[in-house]
Amino acid sequence: DAKTTQPPSMDCAEGRAANLPCNHSTISGNEYVYWYRQIHSQGPQYIIHGLKNNETNEMASLIITEDRKSSTLILPHATLRDTAVYYCIVRVSNNAGNNRKLIWGLGTSLAVNP
Amino acid sequence: DVKVTQSSRYLVKRTGEKVFLECVQDMDHENMFWYRQDPGLGLRLIYFSYDVKMKEKGDIPEGYSVSREKKERFSLILESASTNQTSMYLCASSSPARFNEQFFGPGTRLTVL
Repeated sequence: DAKTTQPPSMDCAEGRAANLPCNHSTISGNEYVYWYRQIHSQGPQYIIHGLKNNETNEMASLIITEDRKSSTLILPHATLRDTAVYYCIVRVSNNAGNNRKLIWGLGTSLAVNP
Repeated sequence: DVKVTQSSRYLVKRTGEKVFLECVQDMDHENMFWYRQDPGLGLRLIYFSYDVKMKEKGDIPEGYSVSREKKERFSLILESASTNQTSMYLCASSSPARFNEQFFGPGTRLTVL
């Protein structure tokens, strides 16, 4: 399983873009990059995922480098409610066979400041 | 609004007690999961179920069992609670086509005294 590396913490000013990096240099061709976040005292929340093309949804954008060894989650206009721990996870898409689990690291604790 | 609900937000039990944690989802998902989350260790999978009456062990199944009698409900059972099972327990569900897009409940913080 590909491992991911994230900075333990980041700060961002309210209203500015938050750019959260993730390194996954050992990612293999069929592995997707997933992002979740966990607001304090809540369960994790799925945000977005991608394989090699950039992806955007109502919550965030995901930029994956051409060599796929790193990615960046972008929250375009961070609000105080975006303060959370953000997890980057690399996994095959359907976890067929014996690989039926997400592997969770410790994520990046993002603090959005007023 | 889709939901995963857990029976309790906070629970305090004594060592040796049998503990039941219940999880219900309203999304008709086949897959359901039980995790525990501890500081410095992240989320770890205890068990998951991919269909009624079907289950697979996760990373840390010792001391736990599960039950899935109905599609919407997945129960985690601590046969004889111990202090090292004090933790946050999180339930999740997903569809087969979107296995890794998991919807989580709010969690149950269990304290075993």
